[in-house]
Amino acid sequence: QSALTQPASVSGSPGQSITISCTGTSSDVGGYNYVSWYQQHPGKAPKLMIYEVSDRPSGISNRFSGSKSGNTASLTISGLQAEDEADYYCSSYTSSSTPVVFGGGTKLTVL
Amino acid sequence: EVQLLESGGGLVQPGGSLRLSCADSGFTFSTYAMSWVRQAPGKGLEWVSTIGGGGSRTYYADSVKGRFTISRDNSKNTLFLQMNSLRAEDTAVYYCAKGRGLLNAQWYYFDYWGQGTLVTVSS
Repeated sequence: QSALTQPASVSGSPGQSITISCTGTSSDVGGYNYVSWYQQHPGKAPKLMIYEVSDRPSGISNRFSGSKSGNTASLTISGLQAEDEADYYCSSYTSSSTPVVFGGGTKLTVL
Repeated sequence: EVQLLESGGGLVQPGGSLRLSCADSGFTFSTYAMSWVRQAPGKGLEWVSTIGGGGSRTYYADSVKGRFTISRDNSKNTLFLQMNSLRAEDTAVYYCAKGRGLLNAQWYYFDYWGQGTLVTVSS
């Protein structure tokens, strides 16, 4: 059981927007603005897409955006493209004895 | 160009040991925290361990504490993970990953990853 809860799957059509939620507790997502999101294509290494809740690393499309409200963080992908089809993982710093936790992952299907 | 190249994975019996390495290039290795993150077959990501740039600060997941040891050789730009008392549940692809911020800042964000090395614990 992962520390952060994500939906197992989401889907959308090209051009549409989707949002992936990531729910934690006041000890992780709700207590710190240290939330990040990773994209992973099959057989590939993860790629950092969002850090510090809503910041994008250099080279990441502005179609990807992040936000947080209370204990829930969200990743929104606008203008869906076929290449966005992948698994997405959220992560947060936590005050527990294991200081970094990931969500269980969400499989995004572009219809 | 930042490159991380893991090695050392393989098949090991329960209770056995294995040492993973990660050779890094394209950045000033000693000024960044480095981490290991693993992914069991068909499962999600699990953070394993982090070491500060100087090598003195280390962090471990509860699931590996006391069994795994992270270390680094800054003269050779190489990260290590010594894994002892291995269990079947340690079976996973192990990725090394670079911390995002200079001088250990934002060590909990991983901005570059290697391609991973598979560790299989089975009799």
